[in-house]
Amino acid sequence: EVQLVESGGGLVQPGGFLRLTCAASGFTFSSYWMDWVRQAPGKGLVWVSRISSDGSSTSYADSVKGRFTISRDNAKNTVYLQMNSLRVEDTAVYYCARGPGADYFDYWGQGTLVTVSS
Amino acid sequence: SYELTQPPSVSVSPGQTARITCSADVLPKQYAYWYQQKPGQAPILVIFKDTERPSGIPERFSGSSSGTTVTLTISGVQAEDEADYYCQSADSSGSYPVIFGGGTKLTVL
Repeated sequence: EVQLVESGGGLVQPGGFLRLTCAASGFTFSSYWMDWVRQAPGKGLVWVSRISSDGSSTSYADSVKGRFTISRDNAKNTVYLQMNSLRVEDTAVYYCARGPGADYFDYWGQGTLVTVSS
Repeated sequence: SYELTQPPSVSVSPGQTARITCSADVLPKQYAYWYQQKPGQAPILVIFKDTERPSGIPERFSGSSSGTTVTLTISGVQAEDEADYYCQSADSSGSYPVIFGGGTKLTVL
């Protein structure tokens, strides 16, 4: 059974940092691209970042470029999102999602809530 | 990049057919995908590549495409289908590889 379990969310002050973790199981992790998608309270889904199966290629939404860094450890079946210089507008539930191709997501984690507030 | 346009809300009575549309000029060239999201839960893929249904998704969910519009159809709507539905497509030419529509709230009356 495919499982994606996010952790690392919480309350942080503006300008602070957090590292989100997504632990994967039930599939050959090193064969899949992985993405982060976020959802602000009461709002829609917004793509944040992605990383290729071997970690050699990454991309970011303009709103997080230069502040967030995605990485992965295929030996640990884990993908990370390092979030620096957090802003109030980064407040959201962050989901990790598996991409069977480069175009869509067939499995999602349950999400982790990040709240940026003073 | 482009935008995917969905109606904010659709309402149907139980047993009726719900149709949720998603429009964008790019859709004749790119596949569309549909996700169902219930309150407090993660999204679930219900349709991929315009018309394909993942295993485990009830047959009452179907997808279609015509020109610049794709449609998610739910036949014989049940109370448990009340949820937000998001269309999604890809943008290989832009800086955002994945684009989501704004979402449609399906209400079962």
